[in-house]
Amino acid sequence: AQSVSQHNHHVILSEAASLELGCNYSYGGTVNLFWYVQYPGQHLQLLLKYFSGDPLVKGIKGFEAEFIKSKFSFNLRKPSVQWSDTAEYFCAVKRTDKLIFGTGTRLQVFP
Amino acid sequence: GAVVSQHPSRVICKSGTSVKIECRSLDFQATTMFWYRQFPKKSLMLMATSNEGSKATYEQGVEKDKFLINHASLTLSTLTVTSAHPEDSSFYICSARTVEDYGYTFGSGTRLTVV
Repeated sequence: AQSVSQHNHHVILSEAASLELGCNYSYGGTVNLFWYVQYPGQHLQLLLKYFSGDPLVKGIKGFEAEFIKSKFSFNLRKPSVQWSDTAEYFCAVKRTDKLIFGTGTRLQVFP
Repeated sequence: GAVVSQHPSRVICKSGTSVKIECRSLDFQATTMFWYRQFPKKSLMLMATSNEGSKATYEQGVEKDKFLINHASLTLSTLTVTSAHPEDSSFYICSARTVEDYGYTFGSGTRLTVV
């Protein structure tokens, strides 16, 4: 079945550590990919998106993601996390007009 | 940027009653809106696609008679949970597609508790 997979369910890091969250999708053809963040008690916010062009996408707050078509992956990275990055992170794929979400990754950053 | 307002943010209702949740696009027109349900520590599950002026399209397994969706204008979609039961307790989130950047903007969600 077509799906979006986030294999890291819960990640715990210390401040200044590097972050990489995995996202794999199983759709064929052209895909539009997104990463959203949900801070505690807040709504979903767009971190970055990929539609076409440069597979390395830079987003807000120092986040970036790389689209690797051959691996069906769109991993999210940040070289140095901060305590304020503690949140839930969702990868999503646009299928027709709908956004299909992965299961999410909970990131906890300790000072 | 585009803003989607969702109301109420929290609602508690008695079992058997109906609850209406509103989703408004504040500074843009949204011909298409989406309703999601988010379970604790789970992903967002797409429930239905709301189309202005036409019937909503429901995802497989979602009861259209229980979750009534109305998209009467270009800025307002409503989700009514009819005859609510405790198992309908959840976090409901709406989203609208922003045509300009082909992105999606999300409302702040509604925490529904059925007692």
